[in-house]
Amino acid sequence: DTGVSQDPRHKITKRGQNVTFRCDPISEHNRLYWYRQTLGQGPEFLTYFQNEAQLEKSRLLSDRFSAERPKGSFSTLEIQRTEQGDSAMYLCASSLTVSSYEQYFGPGTRLTVT
Amino acid sequence: AQSVTQPDIHITVSEGASLELRCNYSYGATPYLFWYVQSPGQGLQLLLKYFSGDTLVQGIKGFEAEFKRSQSSFNLRKPSVHWSDAAEYFCAVAPADYGQNFVFGPGTRLSVLP
Repeated sequence: DTGVSQDPRHKITKRGQNVTFRCDPISEHNRLYWYRQTLGQGPEFLTYFQNEAQLEKSRLLSDRFSAERPKGSFSTLEIQRTEQGDSAMYLCASSLTVSSYEQYFGPGTRLTVT
Repeated sequence: AQSVTQPDIHITVSEGASLELRCNYSYGATPYLFWYVQSPGQGLQLLLKYFSGDTLVQGIKGFEAEFKRSQSSFNLRKPSVHWSDAAEYFCAVAPADYGQNFVFGPGTRLSVLP
């Protein structure tokens, strides 16, 4: 069990550029979650997958955001036409379906939009 | 809508002193309750959780929390703080009937004096 990993750990981009983050969950976990955390706040739920199916999306997930989990393993989160307000820590978590309340978090990807 | 408040943004205690971090929630029914800890550069780690039953729950690293329904509170305690406990602590709730959408509080930053 190597834990949840995220790549990259840090990303600096200019406003208007597209960025993509990757999350590799714990191997046997079939649920995968994305959260956003801004400075001084707790994580905010964005979306989650059960295997490859995206089952819930928060209204925070604007149409510039898209998440995929094509083979039910790793997931990507893409932000198109980044804005300064997108600057945040993007956290990924995974869990087993039967114990979905026990979510294991990755270290996060810190995005800075200049 | 669910909400979680953590009244203390920052707490400083001396090593060896006792600790209590406050958490209050607003929800129509009793949700599932959690405490997470986040150290710099690390993912969130689950300290403990409450689903039902005994209102005093034990967690990892010597932490415990007490659920008080009448006060809608779930305060975290530790009898003797260690320097390594310095971190950000987040209280979270999830509806008992639909657990994916965690709601986190804003966090309490704990500093430990030697």
